[in-house]
Amino acid sequence: AQSVTQLGSHVSVSEGALVLLRCNYSSSVPPYLFWYVQYPNQGLQLLLKYTSAATLVKGINGFEAEFKKSETSFHLTKPSAHMSDAAEYFCAVSATGRRALTFGSGTRLQVQP
Amino acid sequence: DGGITQSPKYLFRKEGQNVTLSCEQNLNHDAMYWYRQDPGQGLRLIYYSQIVNDFQKGDIAEGYSVSREKKESFPLTVTSAQKNPTAFYLCASSLQGQRTGQPQHFGDGTRLSIL
Repeated sequence: AQSVTQLGSHVSVSEGALVLLRCNYSSSVPPYLFWYVQYPNQGLQLLLKYTSAATLVKGINGFEAEFKKSETSFHLTKPSAHMSDAAEYFCAVSATGRRALTFGSGTRLQVQP
Repeated sequence: DGGITQSPKYLFRKEGQNVTLSCEQNLNHDAMYWYRQDPGQGLRLIYYSQIVNDFQKGDIAEGYSVSREKKESFPLTVTSAQKNPTAFYLCASSLQGQRTGQPQHFGDGTRLSIL
């Protein structure tokens, strides 16, 4: 079985500050990992994905995530937050034998001016 | 532009009524998915389909039904057996099944409410 835990349902940062959104996964096999962003009343947009090619993955809008197998983590970071980054972020995992994504419960990011 | 179109954007259901949510994609994707989103619970899988004329139940299929008669279309029916249908419904598609690590592309969702 696989699962995803996102620590912190709400995260607030100041504009220009570091963004760190945490994601831990459990999977009995090497996983594929994804980060998605959702703006109000919209669908999910792919930020980045890990598929075992490189442990540090760069995505859109200046986001990146690092896969750490020893910590079973895939945290999302951005060096400097922008007001337009305010949204909800979802971590998701997929592994062989499960033909759909398993999502975390989401983290709502607020960016204060 | 290629993408996934969900309609309607807002839908209201009366007691005892079945309603159907539309999902169409022109990405030539093989797999399609339906998720339900409730506040604080992330997305939960309702049904998915890897190929035409085949679909499987997800984690919360009770009270829902689907069909996949065409590659481009994967409508979801919320039946009267679903006692708590108020939620945001998201349709997604991917090039192949998740076994290959293909990302899913999402529509803009349908918000269903009870009258």
